[in-house]
Amino acid sequence: ETGVTQSPTHLIKTRGQQVTLRCSSQSGHNTVSWYQQALGQGPQFIFQYYREEENGRGNFPPRFSGLQFPNYSSELNVNALELDDSALYLCASSLTSGSYNEQFFGPGTRLTVL
Amino acid sequence: AQSVSQHNHHVILSEAASLELGCNYSYGGTVNLFWYVQYPGQHLQLLLKYFSGDPLVKGIKGFEAEFIKSKFSFNLRKPSVQWSDTAEYFCAVTANQAGTALIFGKGTTLSVSS
Repeated sequence: ETGVTQSPTHLIKTRGQQVTLRCSSQSGHNTVSWYQQALGQGPQFIFQYYREEENGRGNFPPRFSGLQFPNYSSELNVNALELDDSALYLCASSLTSGSYNEQFFGPGTRLTVL
Repeated sequence: AQSVSQHNHHVILSEAASLELGCNYSYGGTVNLFWYVQYPGQHLQLLLKYFSGDPLVKGIKGFEAEFIKSKFSFNLRKPSVQWSDTAEYFCAVTANQAGTALIFGKGTTLSVSS
């Protein structure tokens, strides 16, 4: 069974650019959640996708957007990058939505904005 | 809004010492509680979880946690730590509703010396 994978591992961008991060969910999982983990902080919820629809969103501006595909893989897009967007971006998949479902985390993408 | 507080930022112990990491949450309704661990260079992984029932829950690698509803606390314990327990520990909560966002604390770094 393949776990959650994310690409790329590391990324360096400059302010104002746009970035796309990718996540493949664990086999059989239809729900993907994205988190931002700034240095020295715990992960912060960005949004969740369930069966290709957004299913909850945290306190992040609209320039953070996402997609989920029919195979349940997902993308996180960030437009107009700011220095404060530098962080580790984590993807987590779960069997389905609902707070009882364990979320399995990927290794993350380290984004640096210069 | 829900929040999670972890009182210890960095804990340093010798092998065989006992461990207790504090976690308090703020939310008036029913919650699900989690402890996640991140070993150096590895993914976030679930240590243990509490949904309902016995407030003392046991997890992997000899860890346990006790849910005390009146104190809004979910402290993590281990009677005797090992060098391999060196890691970052995160307490997290979800509301027992449709929303499934994990709300994390800032984390506690545990360093165990042999």
